[in-house]
Amino acid sequence: GAVVSQHPSRVICKSGTSVKIECRSLDFQATTMFWYRQFPKQSLMLMATSNEGSKATYEQGVEKDKFLINHASLTLSTLTVTSAHPEDSSFYICSALRGGRDEQFFGPGTRLTVL
Amino acid sequence: GNSVTQMEGPVTLSEEAFLTINCTYTATGYPSLFWYVQYPGEGLQLLLKATKADDKGSNKGFEATYRKETTSFHLEKGSVQVSDSAVYFCALISDNYGQNFVFGPGTRLSVLP
Repeated sequence: GAVVSQHPSRVICKSGTSVKIECRSLDFQATTMFWYRQFPKQSLMLMATSNEGSKATYEQGVEKDKFLINHASLTLSTLTVTSAHPEDSSFYICSALRGGRDEQFFGPGTRLTVL
Repeated sequence: GNSVTQMEGPVTLSEEAFLTINCTYTATGYPSLFWYVQYPGEGLQLLLKATKADDKGSNKGFEATYRKETTSFHLEKGSVQVSDSAVYFCALISDNYGQNFVFGPGTRLSVLP
């Protein structure tokens, strides 16, 4: 089956620093990737849709200058949390769309803790 | 807009008990429906899906039937195991909402030995 990886799986950083999270589709090309955020014991909330070679589309209420998304190739999208604060601590999950409308695969998630 | 509602958890069952987790949805058009499972500390894994009315998705003893008339996609399993303890998310993709999922709030299942 299709595999999506995320790196790192866990990261702890100091307040004010920036953190980059990578999402890779390992065995297929993904023109579209999605970034979700999950708070403890809550559901996933879509943050943005990332399209290869173009600007990401952000959901309402998501600061695009804080959560920088770059989809530079058909197998890689990155999410950079800039000037991280403790309230940015969360579980970030990406997914990659392969082919038709239902072929979407999720990464294992990245747990970010901002001290 | 599109939305998914699930029964509130947590749900606690004894091993070999029957499981039902209710899911209802609101969507325009003809959505595809999914159940995802999230084990502790892990990402989401697709459990099963159905893409049109009356389809039944099944996997690992779990099943759910796409009921358009009741806008429901309830998850069932005849005999749960301790290893089924996880959070279960009902979700949909609708033609009218791009390719991104709309997730329900999740239902936490704990199965006791």
